[in-house]
Amino acid sequence: KQEVTQIPAALSVPEGENLVLNCSFTDSAIYNLQWFRQDPGKGLTSLLLIQSSQREQTSGRLNASLDKSSGRSTLYIAASQPGDSATYLCAVSTNTGKLIFGQGTTLQVKP
Amino acid sequence: EAGVAQSPRYKIIEKRQSVAFWCNPISGHATLYWYQQILGQGPKLLIQFQNNGVVDDSQLPKDRFSAERLKGVDSTLKIQPAKLEDSAVYLCASSPITGSPYGYTFGSGTRLTVV
Repeated sequence: KQEVTQIPAALSVPEGENLVLNCSFTDSAIYNLQWFRQDPGKGLTSLLLIQSSQREQTSGRLNASLDKSSGRSTLYIAASQPGDSATYLCAVSTNTGKLIFGQGTTLQVKP
Repeated sequence: EAGVAQSPRYKIIEKRQSVAFWCNPISGHATLYWYQQILGQGPKLLIQFQNNGVVDDSQLPKDRFSAERLKGVDSTLKIQPAKLEDSAVYLCASSPITGSPYGYTFGSGTRLTVV
């Protein structure tokens, strides 16, 4: 049974700091891995999608890496801003499109 | 392009009452998902439809939860009777093609409080 774990559960950093969020999964047979952002009272927004054959993806200040053999992914956020404050969720996908989520990391970026 | 629509946004009910949630996916999306997100946890898949057929309902508590997707478009999720532990946000999502992550879109969710 696939299990996804995210560390840390919460993180508070000053504005401008670079930070790393961690995600681990128990079964390396994944189809892809996604990082989502969730703002209070809103749905999930996909930030980055890494196919199982890829090692990393980048979008602006965000960079996500994937190491299937070790069952790990990291989300790197450069030069954090108060607008980055949200909950970040990691999810692995099965072949049917089912997403299995971690419990999330709640990030607060202080001005 | 309109997003995934869900209603109501909020619902408060007493335990043992029944409740229903509605989801209208993005037009043309064949696959529809219902996820349950308990406070402090990640979403958990309850049921997945492809058109009007069920693909996966392995984590749906079938003694109290039911869902249908008539005509392969809108979907309703029902809880009867509700328990305190059903308090959660219920998220609907849709995607154009089963198994493809592209175009996977979530609605804003329905927040259910059972008292």
